Amino acid sequence: DSGVTQTPKHLITATGQRVTLRCSPRSGDLSVYWYQQSLDQGLQFLIQYYNGEERAKGNILERFSAQQFPDLHSELNLSSLELGDSALYFCASSGALRGDEQFFGPGTRLTVL
Amino acid sequence: DAKTTQPPSMDCAEGRAANLPCNHSTISGNEYVYWYRQIHSQGPQYIIHGLKNNETNEMASLIITEDRKSSTLILPHATLRDTAVYYCIVRPRNQAGTALIFGKGTTLSVSS
Repeated sequence: DSGVTQTPKHLITATGQRVTLRCSPRSGDLSVYWYQQSLDQGLQFLIQYYNGEERAKGNILERFSAQQFPDLHSELNLSSLELGDSALYFCASSGALRGDEQFFGPGTRLTVL
Repeated sequence: DAKTTQPPSMDCAEGRAANLPCNHSTISGNEYVYWYRQIHSQGPQYIIHGLKNNETNEMASLIITEDRKSSTLILPHATLRDTAVYYCIVRPRNQAGTALIFGKGTTLSVSS
């Protein structure tokens, strides 16, 4: 158990819909990262938040957005969903006091029908 | 794009050492070598990292060449549970952390 929790574990929805994925980092970790893993693209970095502020962006679509709340949990919002958005979405966290190794949650499997 | 090159797959017999190579010929002076693995569709798991000295922890050993252009992850006594995709990643360290850029990794198959 990495200490990072993600909900829900599975999500099935239709094209055009909007969903929210939630991540709770390890206690004390200030950084949260979101990654997408699809069959054809592998593991891709989407976005990083550090202590509530956006710190880095990767291959995140404009239809996707994220935020980190004062209690440090994070949400990834996916809108106008397309079939190609079906993937595993992982959240990871890291903390300065422990070094910057990232610890990953179990992921949310999103299926868009 | 990933800055590392790894063989796509390797096999290892249970109980033997698994030696996974990684080339990172363009590594910068401030970049560390990290290894993560992903078992089936679970979240990736941190294994070890190093800058230029060899490192060992309870999971594995990391051997980095003197010129830092390549490294080897060693699992001393591989078990069936070590079957996974192993990713070698180079990145700088900082307090706030930096993103992991994953390549295709090496699929290690451990068999009895």
